[in-house]
Amino acid sequence: DIQMTQSPSSLSASVGDRVTLTCRTSQHINTYLNWYQQKQGKAPTLLIYAASNLHSGVPSRFTGGGSGTHFTLTIASLQAEDFATYYCQQTYGTPLTFGGGTKVEIK
Amino acid sequence: QEQLVESGGGVVQPGKSLTLSCAASGFAFSKFAIHWVRQAPGKGLDWITVISDDGDTEDYADSVKGRFTISRDHLDNTVDLHMTSLRPDDTATYFCARGGTYSSFDLWGQGTLVTVSS
Repeated sequence: DIQMTQSPSSLSASVGDRVTLTCRTSQHINTYLNWYQQKQGKAPTLLIYAASNLHSGVPSRFTGGGSGTHFTLTIASLQAEDFATYYCQQTYGTPLTFGGGTKVEIK
Repeated sequence: QEQLVESGGGVVQPGKSLTLSCAASGFAFSKFAIHWVRQAPGKGLDWITVISDDGDTEDYADSVKGRFTISRDHLDNTVDLHMTSLRPDDTATYFCARGGTYSSFDLWGQGTLVTVSS
């Protein structure tokens, strides 16, 4: 199975901050990497697919990058509605696996 | 409006069976694979199974292989997850999700809670 490691597991930030979340995989997955946002008590929603492609309707302050085994999700200017947990997911091979998540909290 | 709606969750005793259903609407159901993902209370996301757009191919996580079965009905636009030999560690919110570009999950249901407890 492909192991997914997200860092940090949590972070505190202020509105307007630039934040970068990292996801590393245990083997090369090209760009078969997606990012999701999950707010408390809600279903996840897709932010970024194929490492760097913004899903329809997602604000442009979200940017994804990377390939191979190292990926990033950057939020250019954190907004109040962005406080949530973020998960990366690989779809290179089954079983499809998710990272453990990064919880972004208000400082 | 594209939508997935799960149903069938509840409290079930260990060793018993339960079937969840995912009803799709607002999109061409037969063109998309459908996945089930679960999330134990306070934990992360865990992919458990997928069925292909035509229903001919299925795949399962090792944790549920041999106990869970996924199926789809193209007349009703539904995907069912039949769960047997349920264990306390199957307790989770179960989400169905649509497989989109690069197999990303571009549409999710609201989830249904399954509690396995005596």
